[in-house]
Amino acid sequence: DAKTTQPPSMDCAEGRAANLPCNHSTISGNEYVYWYRQIHSQGPQYIIHGLKNNETNEMASLIITEDRKSSTLILPHATLRDTAVYYCIVRVAIKAADNKLTFGGGTRVLVKP
Amino acid sequence: SQTIHQWPATLVQPVGSPLSLECTVEGTSNPNLYWYRQAAGRGLQLLFYSVGIGQISSEVPQNLSASRPQDRQFILSSKKLLLSDSGFYLCAWSNRGTQYFGPGTRLLVL
Repeated sequence: DAKTTQPPSMDCAEGRAANLPCNHSTISGNEYVYWYRQIHSQGPQYIIHGLKNNETNEMASLIITEDRKSSTLILPHATLRDTAVYYCIVRVAIKAADNKLTFGGGTRVLVKP
Repeated sequence: SQTIHQWPATLVQPVGSPLSLECTVEGTSNPNLYWYRQAAGRGLQLLFYSVGIGQISSEVPQNLSASRPQDRQFILSSKKLLLSDSGFYLCAWSNRGTQYFGPGTRLLVL
């Protein structure tokens, strides 16, 4: 699986959009970009994933650059409950063994009132 | 919709005691199931995964074992716990690539 690079931390004002960057310059053509978050003392929560097109769901939007070497997760209106560690992962999902998730350091997001 | 349950939520066990953690999934059939461990401040370590009843693959040699007696039930066990077994144990399921995690069991071995 390709390696990802994320800033270690960032602050965000409540009610504002939070833009979380992720670099994955060695991504392969068949690797997806996945985002999870982990709120303190809870299990990781799936947010969104994409291959090359931008994606949006009820939680967030995922913007993937045309060369797929980087992406941005957008939380449109951050709330205090969005405070968590956000993980960007790139991987191929074929068999169960390939489904192994490896979380890097992630970005610790603190939403402030 | 699918839900995943884990119990107990928290467990304190003495060294050398046995362990049994249970994970069940509702709302899906024939899922892939996973056991991960997360040590304090660390990333996820995949322990076991299963693609079907009775089929278990181990990722890391250790004193833990896993079993899948039913399609949507995954059990993590140990005969004798070590201090190093302390951690946050997470069960996850998938059937189309995306993994969904349970709430976890926090285990403290004293």
